[in-house]
Amino acid sequence: EAQVTQNPRYLITVTGKKLTVTCSQNMNHEYMSWYRQDPGLGLRQIYYSMNVEVTDKGDVPEGYKVSRKEKRNFPLILESPSPNQTSLYFCASSLSLRKVETQYFGPGTRLLVL
Amino acid sequence: DQQVKQNSPSLSVQEGRISILNCDYTNSMFDYFLWYKKYPAEGPTFLISISSIKDKNEDGRFTVFLNKSAKHLSLHIVPSQPGDSAVYFCAASDKGGSEKLVFGKGTKLTVNP
Repeated sequence: EAQVTQNPRYLITVTGKKLTVTCSQNMNHEYMSWYRQDPGLGLRQIYYSMNVEVTDKGDVPEGYKVSRKEKRNFPLILESPSPNQTSLYFCASSLSLRKVETQYFGPGTRLLVL
Repeated sequence: DQQVKQNSPSLSVQEGRISILNCDYTNSMFDYFLWYKKYPAEGPTFLISISSIKDKNEDGRFTVFLNKSAKHLSLHIVPSQPGDSAVYFCAASDKGGSEKLVFGKGTKLTVNP
């Protein structure tokens, strides 16, 4: 079954404690991206990756890092989380951005930073 | 500076009628536009897209219209069904080689039986 998995699904942490949200896809997709969803602000792209070792900033990259060492995995790293990073996070993958009919989103990770 | 705007936070429509969701953009470099649907507690799902070389794209009950001169696109759902009740996001990408995606804030559609 084609899917994008994210872990953890829910996370409560404290300011400054480094955390990683994992994202994995089993479709051999080249394009992967991270989004955050906030009330009144909609969806905003954080980072995207067009292929292994190729990553670039989206709309709101500040405070986040990503890596793409393997095609299937695209972890989101918060080196020093702050309360304004409390949000609902989605990972997505597709063959490419312009082939979005192939795009799949993960179920989301709800993060609370105290 | 919001480059993609969905000015209606919500829309309520009767079942069987047409739903029209609107989206405006300011960046003239945008050349590819997408609509996503999102139910609560689920990830977004891709709905329909349109390239700037077209002014219309249709997929079943869903049609997207693009007016480049007005920098405006709209999503038409005909006929609307209660299962269409969701938040709809408009998104855009530019032709500068970047694969960055910019979203609007979303419109919550409610289709009443």
